[in-house]
Amino acid sequence: NAGVTQTPKFRVLKTGQSMTLLCAQDMNHEYMYWYRQDPGMGLRLIHYSVGEGTTAKGEVPDGYNVSRLKKQNFLLGLESAAPSQTSVYFCASTRTGGTEAFFGQGTRLTVV
Amino acid sequence: GENVEQHPSTLSVQEGDSAVIKCTYSDSASNYFPWYKQELGKRPQLIIDIRSNVGEKKDQRIAVTLNKTAKHFSLHITETQPEDSAVYFCAAHRSNTGNQFYFGTGTSLTVIP
Repeated sequence: NAGVTQTPKFRVLKTGQSMTLLCAQDMNHEYMYWYRQDPGMGLRLIHYSVGEGTTAKGEVPDGYNVSRLKKQNFLLGLESAAPSQTSVYFCASTRTGGTEAFFGQGTRLTVV
Repeated sequence: GENVEQHPSTLSVQEGDSAVIKCTYSDSASNYFPWYKQELGKRPQLIIDIRSNVGEKKDQRIAVTLNKTAKHFSLHITETQPEDSAVYFCAAHRSNTGNQFYFGTGTSLTVIP
């Protein structure tokens, strides 16, 4: 049982490049989330999904897109990376409302 | 939306002393309050949680208290040990808002041996 797995763990992008972060969970959880973590700012929600085929915006959605074509996968895309998107990105999933969130190991992204 | 404030941002204690971290929230409809511990370079992991129908919950050296009227909740760690050194995040959750968690900005706890 791997839990929540993120790919890749590290990435360096040049300004303007695009990339996709993959989050996979094997716990059959309904809800999945993408957060970014910046020093002194905690975890801020980018986008989330309450089920396969559904997505919604969080607190800081600008510059990101997501898709959830399969229940176990939640993809985060950056179409044109900017230095302000340098951050550590965490994916998480929960079974239902008001239950423990399980986090992936994080992706450290640097945009130069 | 919900606003969660967390204090202090940094905390240093001597080994064996107690540590207290406090959070306030703004949305009276929030009903689930988890605490996460994040060690350096690792993912956040749940250490304890409390629901709005409970005032206090304990798990060995860790306890959480909730005051719904004042909209604040606190994490208490007793007999601190060096391995308690980490960043701690509180969060608030309301079931009918798409299951979003709103996190505090974190407290960096250092336990001095």
